[in-house]
Amino acid sequence: KAGVTQTPRYLIKTRGQQVTLSCSPISGHRSVSWYQQTPGQGLQFLFEYFSETQRNKGNFPGRFSGRQFSNSRSEMNVSTLELGDSALYLCASSLSSGQKSYEQYFGPGTRLTVT
Amino acid sequence: EDQVTQSPEALRLQEGESSSLNCSYTVSGLRGLFWYRQDPGKGPEFLFTLYSAGEEKEKERLKATLTKKESFLHITAPKPEDSATYLCAVQDDFGNEKLTFGTGTRLTIIP
Repeated sequence: KAGVTQTPRYLIKTRGQQVTLSCSPISGHRSVSWYQQTPGQGLQFLFEYFSETQRNKGNFPGRFSGRQFSNSRSEMNVSTLELGDSALYLCASSLSSGQKSYEQYFGPGTRLTVT
Repeated sequence: EDQVTQSPEALRLQEGESSSLNCSYTVSGLRGLFWYRQDPGKGPEFLFTLYSAGEEKEKERLKATLTKKESFLHITAPKPEDSATYLCAVQDDFGNEKLTFGTGTRLTIIP
């Protein structure tokens, strides 16, 4: 089975621009979560989508948004980029039953650098 | 708010020297505790899920255990290829998928 894929792998953007990152989950996984990883804060939860609906959101400003398509693929968008948004953005997918806890499988990440 | 603390921050071991990594957690209700391994420049790789106190799981040289307040990742006779950052995460029982991560233990195995 193919793993979680993320595109692009690397991005360099300028302050004030916006960016869209893409994630394709493992086949059959309907839950997609996004995380931001920085050296100072570690891995922090951004949001989670299931069946095209955002089910949970972390403590990030409204500049961070996402969506999920009917094929479970997901995108996240960051508008008005700031220097502090430089990070590794990770996508994870899981089976998610809502009751039992299933492991999340991570993609390789998108390294975003804001200059 | 869920909290996860991992110790030590970094650990250097000689090849074959066994040790343990600690993960202390605070969560209102634990739905699952997860261990991941992360190599530089890559996404975390899933290792174990533990659901209840007393549970243990093993994979090759790794063994994870769980109590009501902490989890241990025991590494027996490690090899240089076990060098990585090991991350612990908890999921609470509010029915969502959010994982709260610790900051990890950077493990280096010296040949």
